[in-house]
Parts: sequence; structure tokens; C-alpha cells
Amino acid sequence: DADVTQTPRNRITKTGKRIMLECSQTKGHDRMYWYRQDPGLGLRLIYYSFDVKDINKGEISDGYSVSRQAQAKFSLSLESAIPNQTALYFCATSDRSEHNQPQHFGDGTRLSIL
Amino acid sequence: QKEVEQDPGPLSVPEGAIVSLNCTYSNSAFQYFMWYRQYSRKGPELLMYTYSSGNKEDGRFTAQVDKSSKYISLFIRDSQPSDSATYLCAMSAHNAGNMLTFGGGTRLMVKP
Repeated sequence: DADVTQTPRNRITKTGKRIMLECSQTKGHDRMYWYRQDPGLGLRLIYYSFDVKDINKGEISDGYSVSRQAQAKFSLSLESAIPNQTALYFCATSDRSEHNQPQHFGDGTRLSIL
Repeated sequence: QKEVEQDPGPLSVPEGAIVSLNCTYSNSAFQYFMWYRQYSRKGPELLMYTYSSGNKEDGRFTAQVDKSSKYISLFIRDSQPSDSATYLCAMSAHNAGNMLTFGGGTRLMVKP
């Protein structure tokens, strides 16, 4: 089983719909992140959470919200989807440590908004 | 100008070639440098992780960091068709709370 699991893997929906993407992890990491990936733009941070009671905005949080339901679960919501939110979405986790630790990614959700 | 620049490619090489992938950056506070490999329809997978300047070798892969030039490289020796993927560089500053800044990725194709 994957350490970082994202559901669904693919989603096609219409403008204006509410969408939730889910992420769960078995790595026991405290920190979780949501990114979107667009061609040529790399990964851009949407939101991140350092523990269950900690939520922080990233570079591109407008139009998105998150919920950290448990240490192992971090969900991303699009309250009213718009076509320019069509992208690949990745969840990642990292361990809390004195030194910066690399992030570990799930396999992504491919989201298309018509 | 982006904080981390990476040539998008695609870079096409024959099997067995030495591949050089590069990133430049502008933030002198970056101290942790990573290379991720991303296959089609998969998430980025950590390939190399280095701290500060110098070289790190792992099998066919060598990561180099030149902080004075703000330049990092990933070398792949004896490249294989299975190395065909997108390679993303990422970096972070000390005390930045694991926050990463990514390059846009270079697509590599190794032809048999």
C-alpha cells in the first residue's frame, strides 16, 4: 500500500460545483501539504499544516480551503470550482525535525473542470 | 523572474549517455537541495537530497551544489530508458519549516 494515498485519482466536474480531494498517510508524519501542478510551472503550494490544529495558507490559496481531520488526514476543497483550477493536485507529507526534511508525495488527483 | 529556474526540455539522449540536468536559483538562503523524479501519472519521488555545497553520489546519480554560483546539477551516468521522466529540482532555506521552492521540471527522454 502507498504511504500517501490520494482519492479520487481522476475527477471531471462542472463549473460551480463543490469538490473535495482527500489525502491520507501512513508515514506517521506531522506535516502535510497540498500542491497544484501546471505544465511548466512546477509545484505551487496551496495550503500546509504542521499539526492537527495548525493550518497555513500557501502561495495560491484563493479559491481553496482545507481541513486537517486527524494527523493522518488532510483534505482540500474547492468551494465553487472554476475552469482555471483544472490541474494535477498533489498531497505531500514530511517529518518534523531539527533539519529540513524532504517531502513525500502521493500519486495525485487529475482534476478537470468544464 | 522565478526564484528557481529549470530548462523545461524535452532533453532527448541515447541509451548509455551521460545526462546533465541543471537548476539556477536566486535566493542565497537556500541550503537544502533536492531532486525529484516524476513518472507520467505518478507523484514526484525523492531521488537525491543534499545539504549546502558539494557532491553526493548514489549509484548512477550524482548531485552537485555550487552555492557560490547558485547552481545545482544532477548527473545520470549510463542512462537507461527507465530514466525517462520529468526531473524536478527543489530547495529550501534553513528554518523554513520544510517549505520547498520547486523548479518547473525538465522532461528527459532516453531512447533505446
